[in-house]
Amino acid sequence: EAGVTQFPSHSVIEKGQTVTLRCDPISGHDNLYWYRRVMGKEIKFLLHFVKESKQDESGMPNNRFLAERTGGTYSTLKVQPAELEDSGVYFCASSSGQYNEQFFGPGTRLTVL
Amino acid sequence: AQSVTQPDIHITVSEGASLELRCNYSYGATPYLFWYVQSPGQGLQLLLKYFSGDTLVQGIKGFEAEFKRSQSSFNLRKPSVHWSDAAEYFCAVVPFGAGGSYIPTFGRGTSLIVHP
Repeated sequence: EAGVTQFPSHSVIEKGQTVTLRCDPISGHDNLYWYRRVMGKEIKFLLHFVKESKQDESGMPNNRFLAERTGGTYSTLKVQPAELEDSGVYFCASSSGQYNEQFFGPGTRLTVL
Repeated sequence: AQSVTQPDIHITVSEGASLELRCNYSYGATPYLFWYVQSPGQGLQLLLKYFSGDTLVQGIKGFEAEFKRSQSSFNLRKPSVHWSDAAEYFCAVVPFGAGGSYIPTFGRGTSLIVHP
């Protein structure tokens, strides 16, 4: 069975541009999470979906970040407009239940120039 | 709020040598504790976890970790490192019984370099 996949693996954009990251969770997993790791720092939680609903978005840094999960399958994370401090690795994870193990994708490395 | 400290940013060992990666946490009660590994180009993979019971837990790939309540530590160990163990290792905690979401707090990670 396929694991969590993320696209693209790398993205390099200029400050002020828009980028959309995509995450495909493991089939059947209702819970989907986004995390971010800024260079050399901790992996930090951004938000949690249960199906198509946002369960917890307390980690979203500001309103330049918009996450969606229409239909409760894949999710997108849009950054608009991107700033230099948005550079980092964005991880997605999914789980079958809120208290079950989270399975992580390989991450998308975002570089904002 | 809970926090996790991984004091070593990089660790270099020779293949075949033993390994210990340190992790200390701050939390008012006993949390759930995890170690993850990220190999190049891969996602985070769960190595092992501690919820309760025996404080020495065994994981995949020959790793083990010991929970020491008195030291608020959960150090990861392996008796003999293989070149394929070169990766980044993350310690994480989840508050137990917090009634909230099951969201882990991660440490900064320790990068393991293995010399032949």
